[in-house]
Amino acid sequence: GAGVSQSPSNKVTEKGKDVELRCDPISGHTALYWYRQSLGQGLEFLIYFQGNSAPDKSGLPSDRFSAERTGGSVSTLTIQRTQQEDSAVYLCASTAGLNEQFFGPGTRLTVL
Amino acid sequence: GENVEQHPSTLSVQEGDSAVIKCTYSDSASNYFPWYKQELGKGPQLIIDIRSNVGEKKDQRIAVTLNKTAKHFSLHITETQPEDSAVYFCAASLPLRGQNFVFGPGTRLSVLP
Repeated sequence: GAGVSQSPSNKVTEKGKDVELRCDPISGHTALYWYRQSLGQGLEFLIYFQGNSAPDKSGLPSDRFSAERTGGSVSTLTIQRTQQEDSAVYLCASTAGLNEQFFGPGTRLTVL
Repeated sequence: GENVEQHPSTLSVQEGDSAVIKCTYSDSASNYFPWYKQELGKGPQLIIDIRSNVGEKKDQRIAVTLNKTAKHFSLHITETQPEDSAVYFCAASLPLRGQNFVFGPGTRLSVLP
């Protein structure tokens, strides 16, 4: 596709369940980022991938959060044992290098 | 680490007037400063960016200025239109941390017709 895609667009889950959020970056983009955006707030950095490796995991809020990237392309953000405070929009972005980050439309996660 | 502040948090202007949003950053090593526009229900979209070797950049009605000494940069929108209404985010990027972008908290701009 022409842009970054994310799925699902919306996810409603019960507290304690695990969720997986997917990001398809722009083809050829080597770097991929995950951010969290709570309602009316700014973007909170979660994790950054360069290729398949994650040199910067400093933003992951707890060990319930993990992410992987395979084949230098698709990335999955997994949240285990979800809590209500995990409710937010999760944004993915990719970049070809030292330039513009292209953002996906986000996944809105609601934990009941 | 880097810290980015942004002001104002909300801004209302009359259509046709100018809007200015200001950001400050803390780490003098930051060298890339993008501005993003986020419309409701969408991801942020880059509208203009500037690198540390440039003091000003303009693209039609949008301009960005950078003062490296004071560590602040500003977004200027002239002749505002209702479609400019959105949330605007500034960011600063540190080159030694894999281009980790630190975002400001955002400014909600409302352009009143």
